[in-house]
Order: sequence, then C-alpha cells, then structure tokens
Amino acid sequence: SAVISQKPSRDICQRGTSLTIQCQVDSQVTMMFWYRQQPGQSLTLIATANQGSEATYESGFVIDKFPISRPNLTFSTLTVSNMSPEDSSIYLCSVGQISGNTIYFGEGSWLTVV
Amino acid sequence: QQQVKQSPQSLIVQKGGISIINCAYENTAFDYFPWYQQFPGKGPALLIAIRPDVSEKKEGRFTISFNKSAKQFSLHIMDSQPGDSATYFCAASSSADSWGKFQFGAGTQVVVTP
Repeated sequence: SAVISQKPSRDICQRGTSLTIQCQVDSQVTMMFWYRQQPGQSLTLIATANQGSEATYESGFVIDKFPISRPNLTFSTLTVSNMSPEDSSIYLCSVGQISGNTIYFGEGSWLTVV
Repeated sequence: QQQVKQSPQSLIVQKGGISIINCAYENTAFDYFPWYQQFPGKGPALLIAIRPDVSEKKEGRFTISFNKSAKQFSLHIMDSQPGDSATYFCAASSSADSWGKFQFGAGTQVVVTP
C-alpha cells in the first residue's frame, strides 16, 4: 500500500480561524478521500477529492466549510474554515486505487479548537 | 442511520483468549467487508477483508466469519496478545455505489490484559 503523509499531525487552533491540512502520497493513486473522526467516534466521509475538479461532498458537509483541492494524483488539501470547538476532530486522508478493493488511511491530523 | 451496526462497544479479554467482534448490515448490495485496526494517535490500518462469496477468511490469528443469509460478519482474534489492544472498525461497501464509499461501524475498543 502507498505511504500517506499528513501535515500537520496535530494543532491547536483559535475559534474563527481556518487551517489547511495537506495529504501527500508517495505514489499516484486514483482515489483520494477525506474522513472525519470525532473523539471516540467512528469515521465519517467528508468528501471525495477529485483531481482537477470540485470535490464531491457527502450529506452534511459543504464546500464553504471544507474546501478541498486535488491538483494531481499524489496530493490533496482539506481546509477547515471558520473553526468552532465542534470541529475538534481527527481528519484523515485516505486513498485507494479504482482497480483495487479498499482504502488506506494516513496517520490523521488531530485538530483541537479552543 | 448507521448502516453497519457493530458490537460490543468495548471488550476486555485475557492474554491467550479469543476476542470476538460482531457486525450486522441491512444493505444487501454491500459486497466488500474490511476490518480496520486503530491504535491511539494513529490512523486506521487495514487488517483483513472478505467478500460474500466465501464464508471464512483467515490471516494469522485473525479470522473473518461471514454469514450472508443473516447479513452478519465477525472478527475473531485468536490467542489475543496485549499488542492487539486497539479499536477495531468493521466496514462495508458496494461495488454498485460510488467507488470507495465505505460505511463504518461504531468501533470496538479491545483491551487485552496480561
């Protein structure tokens, strides 16, 4: 499986600010996704990051709050905008190959909003 | 609503014992069922996966049992070790759906005592 690197791994953010999380993969991948994992909870898909076009968002997630970019097959960013304490979560980048079956996760970015 | 129901929420087992985690689903279109293992501060890692054309898959001490008629599948950890202490998530996806859209269970925290 690919090596997935996320930055930052952890951050404490002020309410009302925005933070961009980067996801870098060591090989080209067909599919990239962003998940959210709230403390002690399961994983929820935020959106599919589409190369060169707008991301596909799941119900309950909007582009204004979670803008996503994917300029190429190895890199994506997720911005959490106008943060509130409710946004305190682990944000996980995941990748997969459309020729395969499953997805693999990065180590996650743990955000705490104060 | 949660499409994959996982139980128990937590589990304590003695070293050498068997850990059993159960998942149930309703969507008969699901045709791929992975299990992920997550250690604190880390991203989920793929452990083992199964398709509904087989009833059991074993990899080392980890076994998935699949009951298609009951729409249930379970993870068995044989000879549990303290290093197996982690949170385990079951998941399901459908090849008829958008690629990579996984539904995750709520997670089971497993603690293996020495």
